[in-house]
Amino acid sequence: DAGVIQSPRHEVTEMGQEVTLRCKPISGHNSLFWYRQTMMRGLELLIYFNNNVPIDDSGMPEDRFSAKMPNASFSTLKIQPSEPRDSAVYFCASSQQAPGELFFGEGSRLTVL
Amino acid sequence: AQSVTQPDIHITVSEGASLELRCNYSYGATPYLFWYVQSPGQGLQLLLKYFSGDTLVQGIKGFEAEFKRSQSSFNLRKPSVHWSDAAEYFCATGFQKLVFGTGTRLLVSP
Repeated sequence: DAGVIQSPRHEVTEMGQEVTLRCKPISGHNSLFWYRQTMMRGLELLIYFNNNVPIDDSGMPEDRFSAKMPNASFSTLKIQPSEPRDSAVYFCASSQQAPGELFFGEGSRLTVL
Repeated sequence: AQSVTQPDIHITVSEGASLELRCNYSYGATPYLFWYVQSPGQGLQLLLKYFSGDTLVQGIKGFEAEFKRSQSSFNLRKPSVHWSDAAEYFCATGFQKLVFGTGTRLLVSP
């Protein structure tokens, strides 16, 4: 069975550019989460969706960040404009029910120069 | 707010020796607790979880954890560590959205 699929795995961009990260959750899972991992701040929850509806976006750092889930099999996290401090690994995870196991993708490593 | 604390940043264990990784939680009621493992360049994988009932829970890869309400702890244990266990381990808590600890990096010496 396919797990959570994220793309791209690596992204290097210049400050000011738009970045779009993509996620395909596990089929049948109704919750999707975006996390960011940095050395300084560890794992932070940015936003999560239930049944494609954003439930809690309190972790989104600022208006430069936006996330969408147009259907049950696809989500995007967009940063516009990007800044060097956005450099991190961004993880997407999905789950079937709460409380429950989160299944993580392999992450998208973003470097903003 | 629910939170977990992992007091050890790094731990080094000899291969074949026993392991205990510490996790303390902060929550009044019975918390939902998890241990995840992250290998280099990979996402996180669930090792085990505790919701209620038996305070000793068994997980994958030979790991177990014990919930101790009196100590507000949920420590992860393994009786004999293998070199392939070298990774970062995260304790987490939450019902739907999980809050993770800062992680403990396990190094295994030959």
